[in-house]
Formats: sequence, C-alpha cells, structure tokens
Amino acid sequence: GNSVTQMEGPVTLSEEAFLTINCTYTATGYPSLFWYVQYPGEGLQLLLKATKADDKGSNKGFEATYRKETTSFHLEKGSVQVSDSAVYFCALRITGNQFYFGTGTSLTVIP
Amino acid sequence: GAGVSQTPSNKVTEKGKYVELRCDPISGHTALYWYRQSLGQGPEFLIYFQGTGAADDSGLPNDRFFAVRPEGSVSTLKIQRTERGDSAVYLCASSLSLAGGRNEQFFGPGTRLTVL
Repeated sequence: GNSVTQMEGPVTLSEEAFLTINCTYTATGYPSLFWYVQYPGEGLQLLLKATKADDKGSNKGFEATYRKETTSFHLEKGSVQVSDSAVYFCALRITGNQFYFGTGTSLTVIP
Repeated sequence: GAGVSQTPSNKVTEKGKYVELRCDPISGHTALYWYRQSLGQGPEFLIYFQGTGAADDSGLPNDRFFAVRPEGSVSTLKIQRTERGDSAVYLCASSLSLAGGRNEQFFGPGTRLTVL
C-alpha cells in the first residue's frame, strides 16, 4: 500500500537552530513527494515538492531531497525563524491525484 | 484573487442528523478534492472531481457520505445519519486541472464538524 511516516512532534527549537523533520514513505509505483505547511489559523500550503528520484525541492530556505534508495524525503532548514512555527506535513502522490499525508509535525521556534 | 473558501467554518450537530458542507474552489479550477482530517492525523483523501464528475470516490468511508458538484464549480459534501466518529475537519482543495504541472492543490481553511 501507500503510506507516509513522519517524525513525531512536537519539535521545539531556538531561533537560528538547524531543523530536520524526517519523512519516509511506502509506495506502489513512482510517487511524487511533497511537504505542506499549515501556519496557525490558515489552510495547508505547498512548501516544496520533488517529482522524481534525486530531485531536490526548495523554498523559503527549506530543502528536501527525494531519496529512492532510502525511500525518504527529509525536510531541512539551516536556520529557523520564529515565523517558521507551524505544522509540517509530508505527502506523496501516486498516479492519479490521490494524496497520502503523514500525521504532521508541529514545530515551535522560540526567540 | 480569492482562495478556496469553505462554509460553514464550524458545524455542530447531533448524532443521526444530516449535514452539508460547502466548498467554493478558486475560479477557473476544474479539479476539486475533499479530505478529512481527524485530530492528530494528516488529511485523508475522500473524493475528487474533474468538472462535474467524480473521478475517484474510493476514499469515501461508507454510503453515508456523498459529494456533488453539479455545475463544475461549487461542491457539497453530504453526510447522512452522522456519527460521533465523523467529527473531524473537512478540507477542500482545488487545482487548475488534474494533469502535470497544473495540478498543484490549493487548500481551503476547512470546516470543523463536531457530532455530539
């Protein structure tokens, strides 16, 4: 089957710390991989994506590399800010348009 | 321009009642998706439409759930004989189309349904 497993939270970091949120997946076929972010009081927003193995998605200082050999798509940022506090969801999409989401990881960045 | 909107933002109902949840997609988006997000979980796919037709309804949990999109724009998710386990946030998303680079999904703020 298709599923996403992501690091459980909550995660609390100090401003300017390095962030990693782990995400691994199980999929039939060749999925596209995504990170979505949900800021407090807002809807889900696409943060970045990668559509094939070894692709790197990046946006707003966040990066994730599609690793087929380890079935992973870990999210990283070198220096987090208070404004990055949000819930982060890893997701995959197989053929068609059905998404499979992880359970979300809550990040709080303190000044 | 306006994003995806959903009404109501909150709905409280009693067990056994019927509810309708509405989604207004971004103008011009032909594809529309419904998800359910239970507490502490990620969104779970329910159904998606291309135009007026349901392209994939495999995520609907049972026959108490039904969704329509009669004119290819606004969609309504209908839940009959609600149960306490239906309590969740129901998310709607839309995309330009289903194909290739035009299928980025834009999400609405959700409707929080509470069944007492």
